[in-house]
Amino acid sequence: DIQMTQSPSSLSASVGDRVTITCRASQTISTYLNWYQQKPGKAPRLLIYAASSLQSAVPSRFSGSGSGTDFTLTISSLQPEDFATYYCQQSYSTPVTFGGGTKVEIK
Amino acid sequence: QVQLVQSGAEVKKPGASVKVSCKTSGYTFTSYGISWVRQAPGQGLEWMGWISVNNGNTNYAQNVHDRVTMTTDTSTSTAYMELRSLRSDDTAMYYCARDRSHRFAYWGQGTLVTVPS
Repeated sequence: DIQMTQSPSSLSASVGDRVTITCRASQTISTYLNWYQQKPGKAPRLLIYAASSLQSAVPSRFSGSGSGTDFTLTISSLQPEDFATYYCQQSYSTPVTFGGGTKVEIK
Repeated sequence: QVQLVQSGAEVKKPGASVKVSCKTSGYTFTSYGISWVRQAPGQGLEWMGWISVNNGNTNYAQNVHDRVTMTTDTSTSTAYMELRSLRSDDTAMYYCARDRSHRFAYWGQGTLVTVPS
């Protein structure tokens, strides 16, 4: 199985801050990497697919980069509605696996 | 618009089975697969498996493969996930998701399954 490791597991940031979350795969996955946002009591929401493609209706302050084993999700200017938990997920092979999550909290 | 609507919360005794439904609309049901993902309280996301709606092929995660069955009913555009021999550690929110090459752009609202210890 491909292990997905996210860092940090949590972070505190202020509105307007630039936030970066990293995700590392235990083996190369090309660009088969997706990012999700989840708010309490809600289903996950797809933000970024194929490492860097913005899902429809997702604000452009979200961006993704990387290939191979190392990936990054960046929020260019954190907004109040962005406080949530973020997960990476590899779609390179089954079993599909998710990172452990990064909780973004208000400083 | 694409919608996935799941059945309601369940409380089951250890050893029992649960069957969760996921009724879809707004797209051609047979053009996408369905994956099931669960989330234990306060924990991360765990993929349970996938079914091809087109041909019924399945791919289950190793840790549930002997207890889970995923099916679909194309006449009602509904997917089902049955989990047997329930244990307390199966307590979780269960989600269905429309699967396009294991990318999940649409999700159900979740079904809470509780198995008291």
